[in-house]
Amino acid sequence: QVQLVESGGGLVKPGGSLRLSCAASGFTFSDYYMTWVRQAPGKGLEWVSYISSSGSTIYYADSVKGRFTISRDNAKDSLYLQLNSLRAEDTAVYYCVRFWRPYGLDVWGQGTTVTVSS
Amino acid sequence: EIVLTQSPGTLSLSPGEGASLSCRGSQSFSSNYLAWYQQKPGQPPRLLIYGASSRATGIPDRFSGSGSGTDFTLNITRLEPEDFAVYYCQQYGGPPRLTFGGGTRVEIK
Repeated sequence: QVQLVESGGGLVKPGGSLRLSCAASGFTFSDYYMTWVRQAPGKGLEWVSYISSSGSTIYYADSVKGRFTISRDNAKDSLYLQLNSLRAEDTAVYYCVRFWRPYGLDVWGQGTTVTVSS
Repeated sequence: EIVLTQSPGTLSLSPGEGASLSCRGSQSFSSNYLAWYQQKPGQPPRLLIYGASSRATGIPDRFSGSGSGTDFTLNITRLEPEDFAVYYCQQYGGPPRLTFGGGTRVEIK
């Protein structure tokens, strides 16, 4: 079945880095835009970044621009998010989400937790 | 940048009652790109409605969406116990941003 599985979360000190991964299965990954959405503890949803199907178009939320980098490897059916210069306010569950323009964010992973704390 | 404001913040209702959730945009945008999501504790969000009024696969017909311009509504008729959750609207007509509203919690009265 259609599935997205995130990994790579963990506890990191302020200023540190992490690389999140998302493994896709059950659909033709290279046909779809992909996004990362995060949710801080007890808070709402925040869109972080998205990448076009080919990887040629990328956008970031202002809150992460210059610190986070989204990428994909269509040969490996995988999406990535490199998180650098992490801050306490980046603490959140990070969801990998399929973005199909007519339908919105139609497939969500279970999320991976990033905690930034000294 | 379009800002989405959801109201009310919390809705206290009993099973069997109807719910009406509002999502208002700071500027007009295409209804083709307005979605609603449901999120239960400890779970990722689930797509309910896309294109303002189309139900996603497997979504019961007690959920309906409507609206255009800047004002959108999610209606739930006859609340079932599993419908008590947080609901988010989102506009996805970007680039560059895919904005979410702040959410409405539907709780059991």
